[in-house]
Amino acid sequence: NAGVTQTPKFRVLKTGQSMTLLCAQDMNHEYMYWYRQDPGMGLRLIHYSVGEGTTAKGEVPDGYNVSRLKKQNFLLGLESAAPSQTSVYFCASAPVSIRQFFGPGTRLTVL
Amino acid sequence: DQQVKQNSPSLSVQEGRISILNCDYTNSMFDYFLWYKKYPAEGPTFLISISSIKDKNEDGRFTVFLNKSAKHLSLHIVPSQPGDSAVYFCANQGAQKLVFGQGTRLTINP
Repeated sequence: NAGVTQTPKFRVLKTGQSMTLLCAQDMNHEYMYWYRQDPGMGLRLIHYSVGEGTTAKGEVPDGYNVSRLKKQNFLLGLESAAPSQTSVYFCASAPVSIRQFFGPGTRLTVL
Repeated sequence: DQQVKQNSPSLSVQEGRISILNCDYTNSMFDYFLWYKKYPAEGPTFLISISSIKDKNEDGRFTVFLNKSAKHLSLHIVPSQPGDSAVYFCANQGAQKLVFGQGTRLTINP
């Protein structure tokens, strides 16, 4: 039982490049979330999903897109990366929205 | 707008003493709060929670207190141990999501 996994762990992009972050969970959870963590800003919600095929905007959705084609996977896309998107990204899943289980994070640097 | 604030970015405590981490909230949608703990290079992990039917919840060395009239909660760690050094996030239940505070970095000194 791997819990929540994130791929990749590290990535360096140049401004304007695109990439997709993958989150996978093997706990059959309905809810999945993408956060970014920046110094002094805490965990800010980017997008979330309350079930397969659904997505919703969080607090800071601009510049990101998501898809939940399969229940166990939640993808976060950056179409045209900007230096302001340099951050640590965390994925989380939950059986209900309250008790969230987090992945280990992806450290992204945009030059 | 639902908000959670942790006004102390950092806290340093001597080993064996009590650590007290504070959290304030506004416009709470649901009176249910959680504390998460985060070590460097790892994801946050759930630590303890409290709902509005209680004003205190204990789990071993960790106790969370909720003061609804003051819209304030606190996490007490007694006694503090070196392994407690981490960033602690307070969170409030929202609609289908959690709203997190900025976090407090706790350092336990030997």
